[in-house]
Amino acid sequence: AQSVAQPEDQVNVAEGNPLTVKCTYSVSGNPYLFWYVQYPNRGLQFLLKYITGDNLVKGSYGFEAEFNKSQTSFHLKKPSALVSDSALYFCAVRDINSGNTPLVFGKGTRLSVIA
Amino acid sequence: NAGVTQTPKFRILKIGQSMTLQCAQDMNHNYMYWYRQDPGMGLKLIYYSVGAGITDKGEVPNGYNVSRSTTEDFPLRLELAAPSQTSVYFCASSQGTSGRSVDTQYFGPGTRLTVL
Repeated sequence: AQSVAQPEDQVNVAEGNPLTVKCTYSVSGNPYLFWYVQYPNRGLQFLLKYITGDNLVKGSYGFEAEFNKSQTSFHLKKPSALVSDSALYFCAVRDINSGNTPLVFGKGTRLSVIA
Repeated sequence: NAGVTQTPKFRILKIGQSMTLQCAQDMNHNYMYWYRQDPGMGLKLIYYSVGAGITDKGEVPNGYNVSRSTTEDFPLRLELAAPSQTSVYFCASSQGTSGRSVDTQYFGPGTRLTVL
């Protein structure tokens, strides 16, 4: 079975400070990992993904995430938060050996950046 | 490219009514998905399709039906609407599960459905 956990429902950070949104996963083999962002009244937008290779993945809008196999984590980070980063963030996972099985999404973490 | 389009954007149904949520994509993607999003509950997969003529159940298929007669279209049917189906529905598509494009899903803007 594959699963993903986002342990924080809400993350608050001051504008200009670094931000981290946490994600841990569970798969039997190796994972494909994704981050998506959802702005109010919009569909989800792809931010970045880890397939293979470099553990540090850079994505859209200055976001990055680090794949840590020993800790089974894929935390989303940004060095300096903007008010416009306030949104709902979803982590997703799929076992690379799971055939056509779709992605499993976490429950989401609401990020609030305060000016 | 319009990407993934969904209609309608909003709908109010009475209990027991039926309706079809439309979804279309113009990216020639093989895979299409239907999700529902309830407040604080994240996304739950209703049905998905890996190609025309092939559909499969997701986590919460009860009360819904789908068909995939073409690559472009993936309509979701609610036969007897119930208040528990009040939610925001998202359609998504992806190229496939191999290669560099693996699993990157593209989402539509959503349909907000209220059942009273």
